[in-house]
Amino acid sequence: QKEVEQNSGPLSVPEGAIASLNCTYSDRGSQSFFWYRQYSGKSPELIMFIYSNGDKEDGRFTAQLNKASQYVSLLIRDSQPSDSATYLCAVLWRGGATNKLIFGTGTLLAVQP
Amino acid sequence: DTGVSQDPRHKITKRGQNVTFRCDPISEHNRLYWYRQTLGQGPEFLTYFQNEAQLEKSRLLSDRFSAERPKGSFSTLEIQRTEQGDSAMYLCASSLALASGRETQYFGPGTRLLVL
Repeated sequence: QKEVEQNSGPLSVPEGAIASLNCTYSDRGSQSFFWYRQYSGKSPELIMFIYSNGDKEDGRFTAQLNKASQYVSLLIRDSQPSDSATYLCAVLWRGGATNKLIFGTGTLLAVQP
Repeated sequence: DTGVSQDPRHKITKRGQNVTFRCDPISEHNRLYWYRQTLGQGPEFLTYFQNEAQLEKSRLLSDRFSAERPKGSFSTLEIQRTEQGDSAMYLCASSLALASGRETQYFGPGTRLLVL
């Protein structure tokens, strides 16, 4: 069973701080990693993807990947109340005809004004 | 807006009734996925299509569930004889499969099903 693990939170940070969200995955052969943001009652919205070890930055968001440790993280700088949401980590599982995202349960982020 | 669309957005039905959901993917995308999400959980894979071919069905998809993508464009997901345990958000996603094997899935707004 391919697994993706996240701390469910809530992770509470003050406005303007850096929020750090973490994710581990079990399949060492995984190559593609994604972070989705999901507001309550809404569908997941893609915010970052990363394929290679190291950091990838996009605006206030930085994704970090360490394949040796099977670890993915998302940093949100200058956190805003509008960032308050559940952040879902997902790994693309490919094998034969199989092609699907495996999601963690999500981390609830609360940014306090 | 050229994103993934789903219809209806909400559906309330009585146990034992049949329901059908529709998904229209992003126009140039050749892959279409169905996921199901219950409260407090991440989305779980149900099935996916490459063009009109259904390539995989999850064991979560009982015989009461059927999905089609007849012309490789829109897709329908039908649930027959609904049960209360079918209550969930049904999410559709689409992607463009690349030769590199990399793909990015974009989700529609979802259909929230409540079975009474």
